[in-house]
Amino acid sequence: SQTIHQWPATLVQPVGSPLSLECTVEGTSNPNLYWYRQAAGRGLQLLFYSVGIGQISSEVPQNLSASRPQDRQFILSSKKLLLSDSGFYLCAWSVPRTTKRNQPQHFGDGTRLSIL
Amino acid sequence: GDSVTQMEGPVTLSEEAFLTINCTYTATGYPSLFWYVQYPGEGLQLLLKATKADDKGSNKGFEATYRKETTSFHLEKGSVQVSDSAVYFCALSTHYGGATNKLIFGTGTLLAVQP
Repeated sequence: SQTIHQWPATLVQPVGSPLSLECTVEGTSNPNLYWYRQAAGRGLQLLFYSVGIGQISSEVPQNLSASRPQDRQFILSSKKLLLSDSGFYLCAWSVPRTTKRNQPQHFGDGTRLSIL
Repeated sequence: GDSVTQMEGPVTLSEEAFLTINCTYTATGYPSLFWYVQYPGEGLQLLLKATKADDKGSNKGFEATYRKETTSFHLEKGSVQVSDSAVYFCALSTHYGGATNKLIFGTGTLLAVQP
């Protein structure tokens, strides 16, 4: 069966420091991968998605970037964190739309990021 | 553009009460509809789904019917438990970029069930 792993679970970082959050998926090939942010008390905002290695699409302009160096690895990064980057970051995967349309996304357990 | 509207929370119920969380959507084409649940401090879990009009998704006593005529996908449960306390998200899947589906989420509804 497929599983998705995110780490770390919790992170406290000072303003201006770099960031690297990692997400890996097991048990499937060529998944679509997604990064979301959930600010406190609010809904989910799609940040990035990827349909293949090295293919990244950004949904909103921001201080963050994403990379997909391997088929089942998705990394969220920042060179200099801002206070507004605090939130709960969720990684998700789905089967490619070319395989099956309108399939659900499956989420990891999230990383809670606090910026001080 | 496509959108999902959920009822504002929090919804506070006593154990064994009947639950309804309203969800309506706007979409072009034929989206699939989903309910996700988020327990405190955790990620989102898929609760149920429906892929076409009049489909009923069900799981763990929860049900929702895809109503195209009213563009709705309301979540119901006949008898809630304290363990159902969580945030519930309604979402639709729409075509995007040719190679991926994009999920459009509602803002979430917090359910608090009291013993």
